[in-house]
Amino acid sequence: QKEVEQNSGPLSVPEGAIASLNCTYSDRGSQSFFWYRQYSGKSPELIMFIYSNGDKEDGRFTAQLNKASQYVSLLIRDSQPSDSATYLCAVGGGGSYIPTFGRGTSLIVHP
Amino acid sequence: GAVVSQHPSWVICKSGTSVKIECRSLDFQATTMFWYRQFPKQSLMLMATSNEGSKATYEQGVEKDKFLINHASLTLSTLTVTSAHPEDSSFYICSAAYLSDYEQYFGPGTRLTVT
Repeated sequence: QKEVEQNSGPLSVPEGAIASLNCTYSDRGSQSFFWYRQYSGKSPELIMFIYSNGDKEDGRFTAQLNKASQYVSLLIRDSQPSDSATYLCAVGGGGSYIPTFGRGTSLIVHP
Repeated sequence: GAVVSQHPSWVICKSGTSVKIECRSLDFQATTMFWYRQFPKQSLMLMATSNEGSKATYEQGVEKDKFLINHASLTLSTLTVTSAHPEDSSFYICSAAYLSDYEQYFGPGTRLTVT
């Protein structure tokens, strides 16, 4: 049974700070890693994906992958109140093409 | 690109009736479509996976006779909730995958309320 673990939070950060969201996974064969953002009452929106070890940057977002330690993280720089949402980590590969979703971390960015 | 639509966005129905939800990939051909359910303040629960032209694969605990899935084309999948009951009230979200099966693009969701 593949597992994807996230701290449910809420993670509270002040506006302008760096928010760090973490995710660990159990299947060493996992090959693809995704971060989705979900606003309350809305469906998830894909914001980042990463396949290789290291960092991937897109605007204020940076995804970090460490396959040896089986964790993937999402950094949000210059956090804004509009970033307040639940962030879902999803992990795919390892024999199944269906990604496994974590329970999500609630992020609150306060002015 | 990668736009997925759902219709209706919300629906209220009476207990015992059936409701059909449509999921369409608007600008790409989806190799696989997924149906999720999400209860308030809970995570996504995968209900079933469907590929065009074949029967859907249901997750354990999901009643296939109650949640009928039809994937008629590469751009359309439908979920029919049959004989709906108040406990079926939930947020139903579809997603579609293309290029690689891992990358899913979600529709806006359908909020179902059964009275």
